[in-house]
Amino acid sequence: GQNIDQPTEMTATEGAIVQINCTYQTSGFNGLFWYQQHAGEAPTFLSYNVLDGLEEKGRFSSFLSRSKGYSYLLLKELQMKDSASYLCAAPVNSGNTPLVFGKGTRLSVIA
Amino acid sequence: GAGVSQSPRYKVAKRGQDVALRCDPISGHVSLFWYQQALGQGPEFLTYFQNEAQLDKSGLPSDRFFAERPEGSVSTLKIQRTQQEDSAVYLCASSLVDRGGTEAFFGQGTRLTVV
Repeated sequence: GQNIDQPTEMTATEGAIVQINCTYQTSGFNGLFWYQQHAGEAPTFLSYNVLDGLEEKGRFSSFLSRSKGYSYLLLKELQMKDSASYLCAAPVNSGNTPLVFGKGTRLSVIA
Repeated sequence: GAGVSQSPRYKVAKRGQDVALRCDPISGHVSLFWYQQALGQGPEFLTYFQNEAQLDKSGLPSDRFFAERPEGSVSTLKIQRTQQEDSAVYLCASSLVDRGGTEAFFGQGTRLTVV
């Protein structure tokens, strides 16, 4: 089965850097996703990692270590609009489906 | 349409009432998923379609829940004899293909409140 763990809440200051960690245990590995979800809105895709290492995409980067069952999402130059829940997710089966989500990390960015 | 569309956005049902939630996926998307999201939690998988075929319904919490996608596009999630524990946001997502790493696009969800 799948087990995905991430912190429940984090607080960070505007302009700072924050790292949101995710550990996972899967019966088979088919990549790891990060989604962003603002309150009352749909989750939106941020990143997908299938190989070890860091993938950078503007202010957001995602890291994966398959041997450790570990990923993190790094947000730089935090803005108030980055206040949201960040969801770590992994596919159950080969292919894309379905995704199993962690409970999400609620990030609050303060001035 | 431009994105995944769900209707209604909000639904209040009396306990015991049947409800039907609709999802219009992005045109041409093969895969369609339903998730249930309780307040402060991540989405929980309910069921999955590839075209019109329901490939996995292991997440449906009881036999009161039923989903269909008869023509491989629009899908309906039906909940019979609603209970208070069914109160949640029901999210629909679609993806173009069933291949690793393919992005799933989510609708804004239907917030169901059972009173």
